[in-house]
Amino acid sequence: VRLQESGPGLLKPSQTLSLTCTVSGDSIRGGGYYWSWFRQHPGKGLEWIGYMYEGGSSYRTPSLQSRLSMSVDPSKNEFALKLTSVTAADTAVYYCAADPSHYFRYWGQGTLVTVSS
Amino acid sequence: EIVLTQSPATLSLSPGERATLSCRASQSINRYLAWYQQKPGQAPRLLIYDVSKRATGIPARFSGGGSGADFTLTISSLEPEDFAIYYCQQRSNWPELTFGGGTKVEIK
Repeated sequence: VRLQESGPGLLKPSQTLSLTCTVSGDSIRGGGYYWSWFRQHPGKGLEWIGYMYEGGSSYRTPSLQSRLSMSVDPSKNEFALKLTSVTAADTAVYYCAADPSHYFRYWGQGTLVTVSS
Repeated sequence: EIVLTQSPATLSLSPGERATLSCRASQSINRYLAWYQQKPGQAPRLLIYDVSKRATGIPARFSGGGSGADFTLTISSLEPEDFAIYYCQQRSNWPELTFGGGTKVEIK
């Protein structure tokens, strides 16, 4: 499984962050993977954002829950993240990742998102 | 939330030396612990899962141990490519995954 994030590198405060993760090497439909997002603030550790799973189950980390939505598009073999009302605190490298287990073997290369006026 | 505390924050060693990294959980997490390696500008790479199982393609010099709330990652003989940051991750209370703060293994 190969993953590739795409999205804007620069946002202004209060805008909405939209990221897409394109999956290749396997199908999102029926793959049995947890299609997931992580982020890493500059110079800091890893932070779990949440996942989508086939059948509709999902999880959003409580600290982002009110601003976060995630979706899966099997027709494009993509999954996506939307984070509303971004602030400078949302500046980070965002990674998409996937695995059938609760550990993550497959990662995208990461995309830096900067929030600045 | 289960808090994972890694120590030391930085480990300064020479190639060929043995590295021992620690990860302590705020409560018992059974054997639901993984280790990742991350190099600058790269995504994390899964090394070890379920405490001691090596992921596909991971060299035998990497080993994991421990139980309950105390865990270690050992690199038996450091290779130049092993200098990186290492993170532990627990899945005991899925979906509330958490990571440790990381240990940087640097060249002495």
